[in-house]
Amino acid sequence: AIQLTQSPSSLSASVGDRVTITCRASQGISSALAWYQQKPGKAPKLLIYDASSLESGVPSRFSGSGSGTDFTLTISSLQPEDFATYYCQQFNSYPAITFGQGTRLEIK
Amino acid sequence: QLQLQESGPGLVKPSETLSLTCTVSGGSISSSSYYWGWIRQPPGKGLEWIGSIYYSGSTYYNPSLKSRVTISVDTSKNQFSLKLSSVTAADTAVYYCARPLAGTVFDYWGQGTLVTVSS
Repeated sequence: AIQLTQSPSSLSASVGDRVTITCRASQGISSALAWYQQKPGKAPKLLIYDASSLESGVPSRFSGSGSGTDFTLTISSLQPEDFATYYCQQFNSYPAITFGQGTRLEIK
Repeated sequence: QLQLQESGPGLVKPSETLSLTCTVSGGSISSSSYYWGWIRQPPGKGLEWIGSIYYSGSTYYNPSLKSRVTISVDTSKNQFSLKLSSVTAADTAVYYCARPLAGTVFDYWGQGTLVTVSS
């Protein structure tokens, strides 16, 4: 099974900071990767699909890049509403799916 | 606008079967090319894909849960269901139903329902 490892597991940052979260796959998955944002008590929200495509309605400060085994999610200028937990998800082996363990983004 | 809503018991006894239903509104569950899925999240932990079902009834399960999971679809009620047998405390989680677009990314989610396994 394909495993996804996110780093860091947690991150402290300030409003206005540029933040990057990394997701590494245990084997090549082409561009079959998505990113989600989850706030406490809420369902995850799709941000990025196909590694770099922005879901409709998602602010342009979010961007994704990468292919193969290494991927990044970048938030160009953190806003107060961006403090949340972020998950990557691979679908190269769809319908079998795996998630990364998550990265908690906290206010410094 | 597609909406999904989970329903079912919030408390299940150890060794029993957990049963949840997801009701889909705002669209037909039997539309072609649609999959429907279940994901869970233990308290304070990450997301785990449980399985998905194609509108035609083909099923795909997480290998780690495959022996205990059954997902089915009822097109007449626009619902799909999850059964997880022989539950233990480790199965305590928020269970989400969601739509994996073309089997890939989850673009619509239910609000989630907490199921606690305890005697």
